[in-house]
Amino acid sequence: AQSVAQPEDQVNVAEGNPLTVKCTYSVSGNPYLFWYVQYPNRGLQFLLKYITGDNLVKGSYGFEAEFNKSQTSFHLKKPSALVSDSALYFCAVRDGLWGGSQGNLIFGKGTKLSVKP
Amino acid sequence: NAGVTQTPKFRILKIGQSMTLQCAQDMNHNYMYWYRQDPGMGLKLIYYSVGAGITDKGEVPNGYNVSRSTTEDFPLRLELAAPSQTSVYFCASSPLKTGELFFGEGSRLTVL
Repeated sequence: AQSVAQPEDQVNVAEGNPLTVKCTYSVSGNPYLFWYVQYPNRGLQFLLKYITGDNLVKGSYGFEAEFNKSQTSFHLKKPSALVSDSALYFCAVRDGLWGGSQGNLIFGKGTKLSVKP
Repeated sequence: NAGVTQTPKFRILKIGQSMTLQCAQDMNHNYMYWYRQDPGMGLKLIYYSVGAGITDKGEVPNGYNVSRSTTEDFPLRLELAAPSQTSVYFCASSPLKTGELFFGEGSRLTVL
């Protein structure tokens, strides 16, 4: 069965410093990987995705993520954090091997990012 | 372009009451989903639909029902509300099975 893990409940960084939010996954086939951001009392917003191709994926708001097949990871990164980046971040995975309900998107538990001035 | 619209945004129910959470999208997406979000638990899939007239269970379907009579609408029905159904509910849609999801703003439900 597919699964996704976000090992950190919270990440704290200072404004201007680089940030990393970690994500690891487990699938049987090829992974479809996504990052979403959720601001307070709002729905989730799509940031970026990896389907195939270049392992470094660039997304919205200056975020990027690196797909590492050997480590089954898809960490979210940003070179210079902003206070406005403070939000809840979700990693999600879909197993390309399966159809039906087994091929649906599975979300991690989320990581709260706090960027201090 | 409204995207995915959910109503109501907030609702308080008594145990045993029933209600329907409405979801509509104007992007002509075939795939639609209902998730619930509980603190520290991420999002759990309740039901999904791959097109009008086709629905299927997700990870946590018990206590819920759905229908998909049109491409645009995907209502979620709670028949006998229980405190365990206190949660924030999100509707989402996607043009492709492998595409990103577009989420509504959520419906916060409290069952007392």
